[in-house]
Amino acid sequence: AQSVTQLDSHVSVSEGTPVLLRCNYSSSYSPSLFWYVQHPNKGLQLLLKYTSAATLVKGINGFEAEFKKSETSFHLTKPSAHMSDAAEYFCVVSDILRGASKIIFGSGTRLSIRP
Amino acid sequence: EAGVAQSPRYKIIEKRQSVAFWCNPISGHATLYWYQQILGQGPKLLIQFQNNGVVDDSQLPKDRFSAERLKGVDSTLKIQPAKLEDSAVYLCASSSPGLAAPNEQFFGPGTRLTVL
Repeated sequence: AQSVTQLDSHVSVSEGTPVLLRCNYSSSYSPSLFWYVQHPNKGLQLLLKYTSAATLVKGINGFEAEFKKSETSFHLTKPSAHMSDAAEYFCVVSDILRGASKIIFGSGTRLSIRP
Repeated sequence: EAGVAQSPRYKIIEKRQSVAFWCNPISGHATLYWYQQILGQGPKLLIQFQNNGVVDDSQLPKDRFSAERLKGVDSTLKIQPAKLEDSAVYLCASSSPGLAAPNEQFFGPGTRLTVL
């Protein structure tokens, strides 16, 4: 069965310091993994996706994530936080089962940036 | 290209009333999704269409929720009758080309439903 766990409901960092948002997944197959961002009162936007190509995936706005099968993790990182990064972040796992995509969102991590 | 359109943006109803939401996906996107996002939680997939066919509605409460995409383009989601616990943001998303490889979903702005 699929599942996705975002290990921190809230992360707070200072502007200019690194960001780490943690995500662990469970899947019986070879999943695709995504990170989406949701700014207040705005729609969800794709940051990056992993679909069995390179394990280190680069996304928009300087974010990247590394797929580690042995650890069943897909953590999101950014070297230097910016005030505009404050938002809710969702890790998503997707499998193809019997011809249909099974999609599960994590519960989200709220990222706060301190000046 | 135009994004995913949803209406209305906000809706307030009383419990046991009915409500309908409309979604128009990005032109040419074969796959359409409806999600429910309760405050403080991640979106939960309610139903997924491929053209005008349902491919996954395992988490749709079928006793009160229904959805259709008759012509394979726009879609409506209905709740009848609504309960207090249906208060949430209802998100519509679309993607292309199809189910062969999970692809980026493009999300609409959502409809915020409040059930009193």
